[in-house]
Amino acid sequence: DARVTQTPRHKVTEMGQEVTMRCQPILGHNTVFWYRQTMMQGLELLAYFRNRAPLDDSGMPKDRFSAEMPDATLATLKIQPSEPRDSAVYFCASGLGTASNQPQHFGDGTRLSIL
Amino acid sequence: DQQVKQNSPSLSVQEGRISILNCDYTNSMFDYFLWYKKYPAEGPTFLISISSIKDKNEDGRFTVFLNKSAKHLSLHIVPSQPGDSAVYFCAAFDSGTYKYIFGTGTRLKVLA
Repeated sequence: DARVTQTPRHKVTEMGQEVTMRCQPILGHNTVFWYRQTMMQGLELLAYFRNRAPLDDSGMPKDRFSAEMPDATLATLKIQPSEPRDSAVYFCASGLGTASNQPQHFGDGTRLSIL
Repeated sequence: DQQVKQNSPSLSVQEGRISILNCDYTNSMFDYFLWYKKYPAEGPTFLISISSIKDKNEDGRFTVFLNKSAKHLSLHIVPSQPGDSAVYFCAAFDSGTYKYIFGTGTRLKVLA
C-alpha cells in the first residue's frame, strides 16, 4: 500500500535552530502540499508544488520558511530561524493532480516543538 | 478569513445512531468538496467527496449532502460505530488555484 513518508516524526529543538522536514511523496504523484495543523486554524496550507514547480507559497512566512523539491521523490520544508510559535504538526500530502476530485494522500506528520 | 468553517468543535453520538457533521463555505467557486478522517498521531485519510454539480453522494454508511444555495454541506454516518471516533475535516477544492482549503475539524466521539 503506497504511502507518503515524512521524517522525522518528532522534532524538539531550541529557538533559533534550523529545522528541516522531509517528505517522500507517493511514486507517480505530481503534486505535493505542505500543511500545518494548529488548534485555532485547523489545517493551513503553507505551500504546494506541481511537477516539482512551486505553485503557491503564500501561506508561508517567507522570511523564515522555505519549501523545495530537489527531485520528484523528495520535498523539504525548512524553518530558519525557528521560533516557539512554529510549534505544530506539519503534514505533507501528495496527489495525482490530473483531476480536480483526486483526493490527496497525507503522511503521518512531523510534530515540531520549539523550546 | 476562514473560507471553510466547521462551527462544531466536537460531537458525541450513541453507537448505532446517526452522526451529522456540518460544514459551511463562503467561496462559490469551489467545485469539489471532500471529507477526511483523522486519528491521533496519523495523517488525515480521504473519506468521501462530492462535486459541486451534485447534491448527494453515498458510500456505504457515509453520505455527503451539498446545498449550494446555502453554501453548506454535511456528512451523515449511519449507523455510527465506535471506530468512527476521530476528527473529521471538511475541505473545499478550487480548480482555478488548485488549492484545497480545510476547515478546523470536528471531533466525533461515538459512545458504545
